[in-house]
Amino acid sequence: DAKTTQPPSMDCAEGRAANLPCNHSTISGNEYVYWYRQIHSQGPQYIIHGLKNNETNEMASLIITEDRKSSTLILPHATLRDTAVYYCIVRVEITDKLIFGTGTRLQVFP
Amino acid sequence: DAGVTQSPTHLIKTRGQQVTLRCSPKSGHDTVSWYQQALGQGPQFIFQYYEEEERQRGNFPDRFSGHQFPNYSSELNVNALLLGDSALYLCASSSDRGNSPLHFGNGTRLTVT
Repeated sequence: DAKTTQPPSMDCAEGRAANLPCNHSTISGNEYVYWYRQIHSQGPQYIIHGLKNNETNEMASLIITEDRKSSTLILPHATLRDTAVYYCIVRVEITDKLIFGTGTRLQVFP
Repeated sequence: DAGVTQSPTHLIKTRGQQVTLRCSPKSGHDTVSWYQQALGQGPQFIFQYYEEEERQRGNFPDRFSGHQFPNYSSELNVNALLLGDSALYLCASSSDRGNSPLHFGNGTRLTVT
């Protein structure tokens, strides 16, 4: 079973920030939070990951709460091409066994 | 820099047949994992290969087997195909050095009739 809980769908206006929440209340100390997205008919695309500090890269920002029980992925200026299913995953270090849930379907509208 | 490449992109097989799917990892990566994604579901982990050996396995029957070659490329074999094996098969690669993100290919769409 997936160790994360995400809303099934969200909408966001183009140009606005998209904030995607994720609950991972049973996360362990050695587990990282990973975010991937999957555009229709493509493989999952890596976005960002973190352990306990907030992280930012060219695609997004990741905010992890101090107790590490939840996190938020932020796409600062959503575009139509950001329409996808977004997966939040907890990953034990040094394992490639990612447990995907059903993700959040983000729809960006004009 | 080529990412993860998979072949073929689409495949149609008949029940009971056998299939082989292929994957070339991203340059610099030495670990390959395979995932199965049924329609409308998230990907499910099949197994992982490192140094030409299966290192970890998910909840899949022995009909699913794999191989990794010295150049790190990999094959997924499925025997005695069932209708329920119809899915998108994804290959992911990573570097076995610390917490390296997995990079996925675009998959092989297998249809079993």
